[in-house]
Amino acid sequence: QSVLTQPPSVSAAPGQKVTISCSGSSSNIGNNYVSWYQQLPGTAPKLLIYENNKRPSGIPDRFSGSKSGTSATLGITGLQTGDEADYYCGTWDSSLSAPHYVFGTGTKVTVL
Amino acid sequence: QITLKESGPTLVKPTQTLTLTCTFSGFSLSTSGVGVGWIRQPPGKALEWLALIYWDDDKRYSPSLKSRLTITKDTSKNQVVLTMTNMDPVDTATYYCAHSWDYYDSSGYYSNAFDIWGQGTMVTVSS
Repeated sequence: QSVLTQPPSVSAAPGQKVTISCSGSSSNIGNNYVSWYQQLPGTAPKLLIYENNKRPSGIPDRFSGSKSGTSATLGITGLQTGDEADYYCGTWDSSLSAPHYVFGTGTKVTVL
Repeated sequence: QITLKESGPTLVKPTQTLTLTCTFSGFSLSTSGVGVGWIRQPPGKALEWLALIYWDDDKRYSPSLKSRLTITKDTSKNQVVLTMTNMDPVDTATYYCAHSWDYYDSSGYYSNAFDIWGQGTMVTVSS
């Protein structure tokens, strides 16, 4: 079971905004940068946000990230049908015997 | 342009050892701050991180799978190999390799993410 909890699904109409939460703890989100990944149906994941709020080259500014305490949030504005995908947060965790990377439980975004 | 591609068997029997190879181009694993990780995804389920090898041969493993995993690199061949022992049907998944960076920023925070992914390879465990 993942230590990062996300809502199973969120939905909104085209043009609207959605936010996806990622809840963790002090051993992971609380003391590490968070990344977000988008996985379109049948494809490999793609890096969407890194270091909490930075976008790789080519990622539109409709996608934004933030972090507060032990939670992180991904926001998508101007929702498009092409944004229908699964979204995962990810970060390092320093609990247990050695640092390890963890992904969130994943959130499916549906455009109504 | 960075590309990665996974290769290996599509079908393994329970208790067998799985060996997957990630062949990459566009970067060198001998360059400071570079790493290659393995991530898997069972059908219809979430991503699960497995292991990561750094440019300096430092390695990190998933605590729950550490006893079964070995990650190695061959810098001259531009390859990273992941072996997983004692395969079980629950290990049926798509296995991805991905390029990553690692450094400490000016605030002292560790920065690392998987920015370029391979297409993935589906592995089924069945007798």
